Amino acid sequence: RKEVEQDPGPFNVPEGATVAFNCTYSNSASQSFFWYRQDCRKEPKLLMSVYSSGNEDGRFTAQLNRASQYISLLIRDSKLSDSATYLCVVNGGGFGNEKLTFGTGTRLTIIP
Amino acid sequence: DAGVIQSPRHEVTEMGQEVTLRCKPISGHDYLFWYRQTMMRGLELLIYFNNNVPIDDSGMPEDRFSAKMPNASFSTLKIQPSEPRDSAVYFCASSTYLGGGPPQDNEQFFGPGTRLTVL
Repeated sequence: RKEVEQDPGPFNVPEGATVAFNCTYSNSASQSFFWYRQDCRKEPKLLMSVYSSGNEDGRFTAQLNRASQYISLLIRDSKLSDSATYLCVVNGGGFGNEKLTFGTGTRLTIIP
Repeated sequence: DAGVIQSPRHEVTEMGQEVTLRCKPISGHDYLFWYRQTMMRGLELLIYFNNNVPIDDSGMPEDRFSAKMPNASFSTLKIQPSEPRDSAVYFCASSTYLGGGPPQDNEQFFGPGTRLTVL
């Protein structure tokens, strides 16, 4: 089983729609969770951290379910500029907490 | 801040040749990570350093790969001899981790990557 699993997509979504991604992780000791965004032929960049109580940043909402070991990202009122690959990321937990494990990403395309 | 700097941005070489990738982390960051990204396997951690000391090299594929960090502002990843299956984008990232703090303390900042093609 992969440490971090994501649906690779692609998700093709009309502009203005709401889209949600899920990801599951296997390491129950993981303490930090993130969503990174990677544009085509660019480096990954932090989109947002994921807090236990869930958190929102503008049109983006992240949720964490520790019991089921899954993380979600919701994008509302999607824009053309949201087209990218979204990477679910968890840290190592315990010793090696600074290590991050990346999912293979979910590709999103917003259609005009 | 200039961000993480990598060179070269593109490298095309022939099988059997030595390849050296270079990275300059963000000043003040004490962690440096080398990743490899392919379509099939995604982003894989190869090795990481803390205060110039290698901490975990379990992701290095084989003895053909080696990495060094002679000082806080410079690291190299060397492949010798290179093979076509090494073709990938290699990213360097840096961070500073305070431990026990909010998750943002774990943010890694990536360089633009080196796109390696081995013919």
